[in-house]
Amino acid sequence: AQKVTQAQTEISVVEKEDVTLDCVYETRDTTYYLFWYKQPPSGELVFLIRRNSFDEQNEISGRYSWNFQKSTSSFNFTITASQVVDSAVYFCALSENTGFQKLVFGTGTRLLVSP
Amino acid sequence: DADVTQTPRNRITKTGKRIMLECSQTKGHDRMYWYRQDPGLGLRLIYYSFDVKDINKGEISDGYSVSRQAQAKFSLSLESAIPNQTALYFCATSVGGGAFNEQFFGPGTRLTVL
Repeated sequence: AQKVTQAQTEISVVEKEDVTLDCVYETRDTTYYLFWYKQPPSGELVFLIRRNSFDEQNEISGRYSWNFQKSTSSFNFTITASQVVDSAVYFCALSENTGFQKLVFGTGTRLLVSP
Repeated sequence: DADVTQTPRNRITKTGKRIMLECSQTKGHDRMYWYRQDPGLGLRLIYYSFDVKDINKGEISDGYSVSRQAQAKFSLSLESAIPNQTALYFCATSVGGGAFNEQFFGPGTRLTVL
């Protein structure tokens, strides 16, 4: 069965610090997809990134970067030079290649960035 | 206007009452989903639908039912609400074709069952 673990329940940093959110997943499939979503205090869920299991290239988007390592079943998310607006709950999710999409979410990591 | 809308946004009800949460989308997506979010548990899938004629149970469907009235509308019902159904409920949509497509979420409905 598939499972996503986000062991960090809450992280507090001061603005401009770098922070890494960990995500470890379990799946028996060789083809699968990993996602990160952001849930700001307003409550909506915002898609951040998708990665398929055959693409281990790291990705950078502005201050955000993602490190996918199949060897350790991890898909970690780093925010560089954090800002107050980054304060949110971040969810990692997994979808196996079953022909349709059933997302399994981790329990989320709450990031608090203080000025 | 938002692509995925949910009504109501907040609802307080009593144990035993029937409640319907509604979801509408203008994205033209075939697939729609209902999730609930509980503190410390993340989001869990209740039901999902590939199209009007295809509805499937998710991880935690007991106590819930759904109706896909049209491609754009997907309703979640609690026939007899109980306090442990107090949660934040999200509707989501995605295009068909594969597990790699991201889901687009509505703003959520906060339900409290007293």
